[in-house]
Amino acid sequence: ETGVTQTPRHLVMGMTNKKSLKCEQHLGHNAMYWYKQSAKKPLELMFVYNFKEQTENNSVPSRFSPECPNSSHLFLHLHTLQPEDSALYLCASSQGTGPETQYFGPGTRLLVL
Amino acid sequence: KNQVEQSPQSLIILEGKNCTLQCNYTVSPFSNLRWYKQDTGRGPVSLTIMTFSENTKSNGRYTATLDADTKQSSLHITASQLSDSASYICVAISGGYNKLIFGAGTRLAVHP
Repeated sequence: ETGVTQTPRHLVMGMTNKKSLKCEQHLGHNAMYWYKQSAKKPLELMFVYNFKEQTENNSVPSRFSPECPNSSHLFLHLHTLQPEDSALYLCASSQGTGPETQYFGPGTRLLVL
Repeated sequence: KNQVEQSPQSLIILEGKNCTLQCNYTVSPFSNLRWYKQDTGRGPVSLTIMTFSENTKSNGRYTATLDADTKQSSLHITASQLSDSASYICVAISGGYNKLIFGAGTRLAVHP
């Protein structure tokens, strides 16, 4: 295990639902990330948090809303998603936002119907 | 435009055989390059990290090479095992902003 956990591991939701993804890291890291991984495409960085503050938002649609209550927890709130949002959502953490190694969680497989 | 291209897209080999995965990057300024292994249903796990001044780095049966002049890297797997079946992702990191540029990965299947 990498020290980064994600729940749920699988999620099926309708386009009108509201759900949340949770990530927790037990590594004492200060930076946390959300990535989207679609089939046969490179990982896409969505959000970066450093010391609980959002430092990067890569033009992500507002139907994705992140929340970072502390350095160990990161949430991704989902509402009115589209079928093309179906993907694997990966959380990662690192000591800082420099070139340090990022440690990834197992991901949440999301299917939007 | 910063980008990383990997080849082949997928590969099937027999257990015990060697294989080499390729990565070409156009990232400037360049800081370092990493290879990650992603098992099915898992997140990526770091295999090797190389700075621009390093030519080779090994991790068990995995050996990564880097040619900063030609902007190419390779990952060589020796004596493959069934557990090597996974996606292998090349990541180039730009200097300054520490941006991670991900490749789309090579999906390797090792058959008995």
